[in-house]
Amino acid sequence: DAKTTQPPSMDCAEGRAANLPCNHSTISGNEYVYWYRQIHSQGPQYIIHGLKNNETNEMASLIITEDRKSSTLILPHATLRDTAVYYCIGIAGGTSYGKLTFGQGTILTVHP
Amino acid sequence: DTAVSQTPKYLVTQMGNDKSIKCEQNLGHDTMYWYKQDSKKFLKIMFSYNNKELIINETVPNRFSPKSPDKAHLNLHINSLELGDSAVYFCASSPKSSGTEAFFGQGTRLTVV
Repeated sequence: DAKTTQPPSMDCAEGRAANLPCNHSTISGNEYVYWYRQIHSQGPQYIIHGLKNNETNEMASLIITEDRKSSTLILPHATLRDTAVYYCIGIAGGTSYGKLTFGQGTILTVHP
Repeated sequence: DTAVSQTPKYLVTQMGNDKSIKCEQNLGHDTMYWYKQDSKKFLKIMFSYNNKELIINETVPNRFSPKSPDKAHLNLHINSLELGDSAVYFCASSPKSSGTEAFFGQGTRLTVV
């Protein structure tokens, strides 16, 4: 699985967009980029994933660069409840049976 | 109507004891997991079961023995507890087809004294 690098922490004002970057320069062609988050004292929560194309769902958008060496998770209108640790994970497609390798992630703090 | 539920939520026990953590999922998923989150907040996979069959065992000490009586349950039994076993243990499940959009339980905070 690809090694990913994320900034240790970021701040965002409530109501503004939160843009969380992730570098995965060694990602291979069949590896997906997954994003999870962990709100304090809760289990991790799946957010979104993508391979090549940009993706959007009700929680967030994922922008993947054309060379796939980096991506950005966008929370369009951050709320205080979005304060959490965000993890970017590279996972090969196929029979990985969901083995998620969590790094240190980015601590996102949304402030009023 | 919790999707992945673990019991107990908190567990305090003495060194040397044997304890179990239970996990149940009502999502109809084929695959279940145990993850461990240590004091430094690193999350690591311990075990993965697919349709009651062990798929992943990440060099976990054999004092830890997962048991899957059916595909909706994956329990974790720990023998001879040690101080270093203190951590938060998360159960998770995912459909076989995706494998990676996992649903996690709320965690069991185990404290060994």
